[in-house]
Amino acid sequence: NAGVTQTPKFQVLKTGQSMTLQCAQDMNHEYMSWYRQDPGMGLRLIHYSVGAGITDQGEVPNGYNVSRSTTEDFPLRLLSAAPSQTSVYFCASSFSGTSGTGELFFGEGSRLTVL
Amino acid sequence: LAKTTQPISMDSYEGQEVNITCSHNNIATNDYITWYQQFPSQGPRFIIQGYKTKVTNEVASLFIPADRKSSTLSLPRVSLSDTAVYYCLVGDGRGFKTIFGAGTRLFVKA
Repeated sequence: NAGVTQTPKFQVLKTGQSMTLQCAQDMNHEYMSWYRQDPGMGLRLIHYSVGAGITDQGEVPNGYNVSRSTTEDFPLRLLSAAPSQTSVYFCASSFSGTSGTGELFFGEGSRLTVL
Repeated sequence: LAKTTQPISMDSYEGQEVNITCSHNNIATNDYITWYQQFPSQGPRFIIQGYKTKVTNEVASLFIPADRKSSTLSLPRVSLSDTAVYYCLVGDGRGFKTIFGAGTRLFVKA
């Protein structure tokens, strides 16, 4: 059971370039989300999705787009990368069933550097 | 979502019990309290979740007083490998729109 898989693990971009961070889960979880973590800080929620076709903004959505065409996949798109988007990105998922059982499962992270 | 307050850092020695307290004065009636652990260069990992009183699993215990305005994560007999950042979160328990604070950096010394 792979859990939550993120690709790529490392990426270097130049300012203005675009790219997509991939996230896939094989646990049939309805809920998926993206966080960014800057050095020495906690995680900040970028976007989340409660099911296929449904997405919403988190704390820091500017500069990022998401879509959810399938239950398994939740890609994060950077339209025009900026140095301020240098960070470690984590994808997470959870089962949205009975309240109180919403353990978040995280991927291993994608380290992005924007020059 | 309710805001949480926890110590920025704590030090301990191997074999000691560590208690990390989290304040959540504005916790809602249907909110659960969840704790995560994060090692460097890894995503957070779920430790324990509770609603009231005491919850225990193979890793930790969670104590929640009757007013639920605070909670305490208890790690019995810590080892060097417990050095990590610990996050306290409150929410509907489903993980939706979970907001992480700065967490508590626990450093376990030999």
